[in-house]
Amino acid sequence: TQLLEQSPQFLSIQEGENLTVYCNSSSVFSSLQWYRQEPGEGPVLLVTVVTGGEVKKLKRLTFQFGDARKDSSLHITAAQPGDTGLYLCAGFFNDMRFGAGTRLTVKP
Amino acid sequence: NAGVTQTPKFRVLKTGQSMTLLCAQDMNHEYMYWYRQDPGMGLRLIHYSVGEGTTAKGEVPDGYNVSRLKKQNFLLGLESAAPSQTSVYFCASGRGQGAPGYTFGSGTRLTVV
Repeated sequence: TQLLEQSPQFLSIQEGENLTVYCNSSSVFSSLQWYRQEPGEGPVLLVTVVTGGEVKKLKRLTFQFGDARKDSSLHITAAQPGDTGLYLCAGFFNDMRFGAGTRLTVKP
Repeated sequence: NAGVTQTPKFRVLKTGQSMTLLCAQDMNHEYMYWYRQDPGMGLRLIHYSVGEGTTAKGEVPDGYNVSRLKKQNFLLGLESAAPSQTSVYFCASGRGQGAPGYTFGSGTRLTVV
């Protein structure tokens, strides 16, 4: 059983569309991170959030941490083919636990 | 600036063989981690270290051992490889547990036949 549930598992969209992916848990995180992973590479950190209700923006990416610190979302505006990859959320409990990821494909 | 370097990148082992995966970081991070990544299961923590000379078990430690004799290196050993250990292994390092985040290596793809 995954401690962190990510949805959707797979997402295929056209360039220019908007999308949101979700990360949910029944447990409270002390911090939560989002990573992006490309084939054959390790995950690369996008953002860390630590405060309930926190919103962070990274260019066209908007990250939100739930008020109760049990969930998070990643919204991408006007997706581009370069956004293609596996998006992983990770929450710190007694150690860092990862979700199974959302595999995003953006078609030109 | 190399960050986190893992060797080897690929390896095929026969069941029962042993091997050591090497991880080196040049960022002076105290914390280092070994994860395995399997399809549909995300990254699962095998062992970790909070400083030179320390190690601790993670979520899936059975069949693996680790050592952190030097701050910059974290070794993962498989004493008697099994097909269930076929996976992609990632090493990561960080300044803390959780925030501000981890730097990952590019992975070792291990196949046990």
